[in-house]
Amino acid sequence: GAGVSQSPSNKVTEKGKDVELRCDPISGHTALYWYRQSLGQGLEFLIYFQGNSAPDKSGLPSDRFSAERTGGSVSTLTIQRTQQEDSAVYLCASSSTYGANVLTFGAGSRLTVL
Amino acid sequence: AQSVSQHNHHVILSEAASLELGCNYSYGGTVNLFWYVQYPGQHLQLLLKYFSGDPLVKGIKGFEAEFIKSKFSFNLRKPSVQWSDTAEYFCAVNAGGSYIPTFGRGTSLIVHP
Repeated sequence: GAGVSQSPSNKVTEKGKDVELRCDPISGHTALYWYRQSLGQGLEFLIYFQGNSAPDKSGLPSDRFSAERTGGSVSTLTIQRTQQEDSAVYLCASSSTYGANVLTFGAGSRLTVL
Repeated sequence: AQSVSQHNHHVILSEAASLELGCNYSYGGTVNLFWYVQYPGQHLQLLLKYFSGDPLVKGIKGFEAEFIKSKFSFNLRKPSVQWSDTAEYFCAVNAGGSYIPTFGRGTSLIVHP
């Protein structure tokens, strides 16, 4: 597609439920990033995928968080047993290998945990 | 680990005022530097970037930023702001060959007409 597509745009869930957030990057972009944006906290890095290499998971805050990328394209971020502190906007971005790390962001998925 | 500091969290200006937003980073080696902007209701988008060469870089909409290596700074400037510049501004740094940008907390800019 023309841009980075994320779904759902909004998700309200109850504490303890699992959620899945989807990201469809720009076609041909080999790098894919997940960040979390909390109010007043800036962007917090979560995970980075580059081609077929093992992902950099160093930013995942707990083992309740996981992500996968299938076929080098679509990515799914899964949060198990959600907690209220997981409430945030989850941003996906992609970049071409030769784009010198200029990120193109999606609109984000706003997660609210009640 | 690298870190990025944006000193101004909230800035309120009148139209035609000059703007300078501070950004400092904590890495002594080679860096790639970015400013991203998020207009109300829109995606984060690139405003300008510095990789090498002339330390004064120009971006979209009349913005510019200056890389001062000795001060570990990459401040964003605009001589005369407009109401349409109201947005959240984020500084980001890639350091040491990392492919993962570290972002600052952001600065909320409100421009009154």
